[in-house]
Amino acid sequence: GQQLNQSPQSMFIQEGEDVSMNCTSSSIFNTWLWYKQDPGEGPVLLIALYKAGELTSNGRLTAQFGITRKDSFLNISASIPSDVGIYFCAGPSSGTYKYIFGTGTRLKVLA
Amino acid sequence: NAGVTQTPKFQVLKTGQSMTLQCAQDMNHNSMYWYRQDPGMGLRLIYYSASEGTTDKGEVPNGYNVSRLNKREFSLRLESAAPSQTSVYFCASTHGGGTVPLEQYFGPGTRLTVT
Repeated sequence: GQQLNQSPQSMFIQEGEDVSMNCTSSSIFNTWLWYKQDPGEGPVLLIALYKAGELTSNGRLTAQFGITRKDSFLNISASIPSDVGIYFCAGPSSGTYKYIFGTGTRLKVLA
Repeated sequence: NAGVTQTPKFQVLKTGQSMTLQCAQDMNHNSMYWYRQDPGMGLRLIYYSASEGTTDKGEVPNGYNVSRLNKREFSLRLESAAPSQTSVYFCASTHGGGTVPLEQYFGPGTRLTVT
């Protein structure tokens, strides 16, 4: 079945640094979604991507839909303490109404 | 718009008790979902409803039932709660396919403890 692998699993960074994470799949996705989940909260949709090669920004966040349609990338520029949380990718499973979720990247920002 | 709302926010049950988790969305979405998330784990699909009038099992349906009451509301029922059902439950909704956006939006969650 379709799976989404994220890397890194976790990262500690200094405030002000840029962060990059990625999500890869063994099969093609037609939509990529990036979420952030804070402790004790529901996942919040950050960015949605619909076309191969698409680059979309949301404030300090930029995500790209990989050209092969098997990967996606999320960058956070000039990180701040409130960026702490778990980021995960997701996409609708081909031909179904179900969604596949990535394993998550846990981000910790050191002030 | 409130988006996806869930009630209650917290609940403690004794083993064997029953309860219904409520979910509503005001985005006119076709599809609705129930997930559970255990500590340090990812989201696991319990049941989903692709459109009003239909429901289907997900990955972990045992011990749960659902009702798609109307287009807005999708409830999850635990008939006889077990400690293994201690978890955080999230409801989500999406337009559901075709040429419309496929963003999935989540509610704030219900934290359930079964003792």
